[in-house]
Amino acid sequence: DAKTTQPPSMDCAEGRAANLPCNHSTISGNEYVYWYRQIHSQGPQYIIHGLKNNETNEMASLIITEDRKSSTLILPHATLRDTAVYYCIVRDNAGNMLTFGGGTRLMVKP
Amino acid sequence: AAGVIQSPRHLIKEKRETATLKCYPIPRHDTVYWYQQGPGQDPQFLISFYEKMQSDKGSIPDRFSAQQFSDYHSELNMSSLELGDSALYFCASSAPGLAGAETQYFGPGTRLLVL
Repeated sequence: DAKTTQPPSMDCAEGRAANLPCNHSTISGNEYVYWYRQIHSQGPQYIIHGLKNNETNEMASLIITEDRKSSTLILPHATLRDTAVYYCIVRDNAGNMLTFGGGTRLMVKP
Repeated sequence: AAGVIQSPRHLIKEKRETATLKCYPIPRHDTVYWYQQGPGQDPQFLISFYEKMQSDKGSIPDRFSAQQFSDYHSELNMSSLELGDSALYFCASSAPGLAGAETQYFGPGTRLLVL
C-alpha cells in the first residue's frame, strides 16, 4: 500500500465542518483511498472510499485532488461523537490487508 | 443491519495457555480478516481468508493459527500465550466486489489479557 501522511491531531468546534487532510503522493492508478475512524477501543468504522471522483455519503464527503496525490475528508457538521482517530488508507488490489498508520486524532470541542 | 460478531468480548488467560477467538462475518460476506491492536498502537493485519482458503498473511506469529469454516465463520487459535499478546483482536469481513474495493467492516473486538 502507498504510504499516507496525516497530521497527528486536529481540533474542531462542535457544529463546524471538520476537514481532515491526507497526503498520498506515491499513490498509483489502481489504488483506492479509504477512510476509517476508531472511537476509543471500538472496532474501526468504515466512513467512505474513492478512486478518482469525489464521493459523498451520509457520514462524510471525500475530496480527491485531480492528481490523486492528496485527499480531504470532510465531516460537514462535527459533533462531540465524532471525536476519534481518523485513518486515511491507500489500498491496492494486490493485497487484502488494510495498513493503518498513525491517523489524525480529531477532538471536537463544545 | 447485521454486523460482525466476535466472541468472547473479553478474555483473561495465563501465560503459556491457549485461546480461541471466534468471528462471525456479516451474512453473505465471504472474506474474513484478523487484526491485532496492542496498547497505544494502530491495528496490524494478521491474516485473511477467502472462501475458506488463506488469502493473505501479515505479521501473525507462528504460535497463532486461523481458519475459516464452511459457514464462513473464522477462528483464531493462539497457543503458548505471552504477555505481549495482550491486545484487542478485531475481525473484519467483506463481500465479493471489485478487487481493491471490497470494503471491510469491523467487529467490536475481543480484548485479550494475558497474565
